[in-house]
Amino acid sequence: GAVVSQHPSRVICKSGTSVKIECRSLDFQATTMFWYRQFPKKSLMLMATSNEGSKATYEQGVEKDKFLINHASLTLSTLTVTSAHPEDSSFYICSATDFTGTSGKSTDTQYFGPGTRLTVL
Amino acid sequence: KQEVTQIPAALSVPEGENLVLNCSFTDSAIYNLQWFRQDPGKGLTSLLLIQSSQREQTSGRLNASLDKSSGRSTLYIAASQPGDSATYLCAVRTSGTYKYIFGTGTRLKVLA
Repeated sequence: GAVVSQHPSRVICKSGTSVKIECRSLDFQATTMFWYRQFPKKSLMLMATSNEGSKATYEQGVEKDKFLINHASLTLSTLTVTSAHPEDSSFYICSATDFTGTSGKSTDTQYFGPGTRLTVL
Repeated sequence: KQEVTQIPAALSVPEGENLVLNCSFTDSAIYNLQWFRQDPGKGLTSLLLIQSSQREQTSGRLNASLDKSSGRSTLYIAASQPGDSATYLCAVRTSGTYKYIFGTGTRLKVLA
């Protein structure tokens, strides 16, 4: 299957700082990437959808000025949590899909990254 | 608005048992449905994907069925093993969208 990586895998930061999380598709071109947030013992909640070269589409209730998403290339999307606070502590997971099918990957499958554990003190 | 629910929330079984995990969804106009496995503190691993036109998919000891009209899918695990212990998530992609709506998950523990 396709490989999606996230960096860092774990980050601890002080309240008020900004944290950037990277999501990379390693062996295919990801036309679309999705960012999810998972609270402890809860399911994944979609935060936003990002298409390469365009602005991200945020789900209702997600602050776009707080969670900045950039998808500048077909293999990289970044999520920046600005002015992080303890309530932003969570497990953030990205997924990537090639909806064009040109990478030879299934257009129906989302390939998930390993996740990033963010702890804000 | 699509809502996905999984029952039971948690399950503990002895090794060797066959078991069934349930997933229900409110909008039957789906494009496909996926079952995932998540180990503690880890990302997701896709197990099975069922297209809306399919009734079931099989992979090894896993079998997933889909009944769109009733808004249900089941994941059958045969001869469970301790290594099957994980959280199992189902996710539904509604027709006309690219995004998946995830269920609440079933935490499975298989005892040796």
